[in-house]
Amino acid sequence: NAGVMQNPRHLVRRRGQEARLRCSPMKGHSHVYWYRQLPEEGLKFMVYLQKENIIDESGMPKERFSAEFPKEGPSILRIQQVVRGDSAAYFCASSPLLQENTGELFFGEGSRLTVL
Amino acid sequence: AQRVTQPEKLLSVFKGAPVELKCNYSYSGSPELFWYVQYSRQRLQLLLRHISRESIKGFTADLNKGETSFHLKKPFAQEEDSAMYYCALRGTSGSRLTFGEGTQLTVNP
Repeated sequence: NAGVMQNPRHLVRRRGQEARLRCSPMKGHSHVYWYRQLPEEGLKFMVYLQKENIIDESGMPKERFSAEFPKEGPSILRIQQVVRGDSAAYFCASSPLLQENTGELFFGEGSRLTVL
Repeated sequence: AQRVTQPEKLLSVFKGAPVELKCNYSYSGSPELFWYVQYSRQRLQLLLRHISRESIKGFTADLNKGETSFHLKKPFAQEEDSAMYYCALRGTSGSRLTFGEGTQLTVNP
């Protein structure tokens, strides 16, 4: 089991461009979480998804940010028209089905977005 | 609303000394509390959860509902304990984890 895989590990975008970050959960995991870590700050929850369903997006900025977890393929965090303030490390985590969920999240290595 | 506070961003101790990383939380119900750790160049990983009442790598943490705290303790720190430690809270089963700001622990030789 390769664990949670995120790509790209590093992404550089100019202001106004789009950023797409991908996350493949651990095998057998059906829940995906996205967190953002701004410089010198802790992990801030963004969104929690199951396949084809957003469970909790209370941490997502209302504009420019969206997330999906399709039936097939990885979860994608999409940031449109990026601004310098979007520069951060974006972490994905996964967990198994609710009834097996002990509360442990399995994290990826993160994707570091730099906006020029 | 759920909130986790780790008052110390940085904590430095000498090898063999006791260490305590503080964590306070705010939540109206009965939370589940966790400690996660990130060693240098490694992924963030679970260290321990309060439900398990376990000791991992010599670390323990007791949930104090009266003081709404979940401090992480180890009687004798080792250099390999140097890492970033995050306290986290889950309000209800199946919901998200809310993390504190983290404490960078450095254990000096």
